[in-house]
Amino acid sequence: QVQLLESGGGLVKPGGSLRLSCAASGFTFSDFHMTWIRQAPGKGPEWVSFINPSGTSMYYADSVKGRFTISRDNAKNSLYLQMNSLRVEDTALYFCTKEIFTGSGAAFDYWGQGTLVTVSS
Amino acid sequence: QSALTQPASVSGSPGQSITISCTGTSSDVGGYNYVSWYQQHPGKAPKLMIYGVVNRPSGVSHRFSGSKSGNTASLTISGLQGEDEADYYCSSYTSTFTLVFGGGTKVTVL
Repeated sequence: QVQLLESGGGLVKPGGSLRLSCAASGFTFSDFHMTWIRQAPGKGPEWVSFINPSGTSMYYADSVKGRFTISRDNAKNSLYLQMNSLRVEDTALYFCTKEIFTGSGAAFDYWGQGTLVTVSS
Repeated sequence: QSALTQPASVSGSPGQSITISCTGTSSDVGGYNYVSWYQQHPGKAPKLMIYGVVNRPSGVSHRFSGSKSGNTASLTISGLQGEDEADYYCSSYTSTFTLVFGGGTKVTVL
């Protein structure tokens, strides 16, 4: 069955960096767009970034553009999010998600359990 | 990109039907048939309920249906049940190759 397992979250000071990872299994990882979505405590989901199956096209929310970098390693069935210059407002649970099928218009049928990023001094 | 507009709360009695609206612009909801709906219970990850405005993923109850008119999409839950009590979020693909979510609607079963 499909599994998405995030890791790498933690407590970091403003201006610091973290690298999130997502280990995928149960599907052909290299066939699917992958996306990071975050959810601040008590708030709704916020799209962060997505990457195409080959890893050649990436898009970012304005709130993270220039600070976050999404990447993938299809040989390792893994998705990554490098987060630099972290701000207090980046505090959230970060989910790794899989698109239901290519061309679905960003509908996500599988979500990981999330990894918590806390930015605080 | 501004968030899509949803009512903060909607309620209904068991067996009734309720509808949640999701209003955007011609650059998102109105411009594409790429609206999705998610159900989220406390402490859980969101669950995809509707994609492509009207399509249900395998395993989702037929009591859930989606529609769209102009810049407003809607999720209807028929035969409301206690297990439907949750937060619901809409999302839409946008003209700038991004995704925008709604602010969320809390559904209460009376």
